[in-house]
Amino acid sequence: GENVEQHPSTLSVQEGDSAVIKCTYSDSASNYFPWYKQELGKRPQLIIDIRSNVGEKKDQRIAVTLNKTAKHFSLHITETQPEDSAVYFCAATNFGNEKLTFGTGTRLTIIP
Amino acid sequence: SAVISQKPSRDICQRGTSLTIQCQVDSQVTMMFWYRQQPGQSLTLIATANQGSEATYESGFVIDKFPISRPNLTFSTLTVSNMSPEDSSIYLCSVSVAGASGYTFGSGTRLTVV
Repeated sequence: GENVEQHPSTLSVQEGDSAVIKCTYSDSASNYFPWYKQELGKRPQLIIDIRSNVGEKKDQRIAVTLNKTAKHFSLHITETQPEDSAVYFCAATNFGNEKLTFGTGTRLTIIP
Repeated sequence: SAVISQKPSRDICQRGTSLTIQCQVDSQVTMMFWYRQQPGQSLTLIATANQGSEATYESGFVIDKFPISRPNLTFSTLTVSNMSPEDSSIYLCSVSVAGASGYTFGSGTRLTVV
């Protein structure tokens, strides 16, 4: 089955700087890679996703890159703000057919 | 994306008892997924529930402990049976809707076993 590794487990960034979280996956059949943000006591919320036919996707301050050859994908948050503080999870799956396998999570803290 | 109503939102239960968690989706979905999130941890899949067939359990999870029902394409229940304090976790259901964006989660059930 799929195995997803995520690094770092914790990340502290000065407000206004950029944050990068990296994930690797093991199953070459995986074709869908979402990122979730989970605030304390709340459900995971999808913030961005990418499919295997695309190398990069951007949505305002958030971007995701995918390297299929190396089986890794990364989340980039620019111009970080205090409200970006949360736990972020990457995940991988064969979309529509299979379960999501999650990374171990990254606790991001934005320092004002 | 689909909207999921999950209940109860939280409960405190005595050890040895059982709790049934319900998820109602506002559209028909083929597969529903049940996850457990222990404090400070990631999400771990318990089982996949397909309508009209037995649920498929992940390694480490068994039907006797976590029986699942899936009576139709919009509803599922997960029961946590014979609970112990180690079952204290957040339990979440999730669905993916064909053509929509991503997998959606219910609001979660925070279970405390005393």
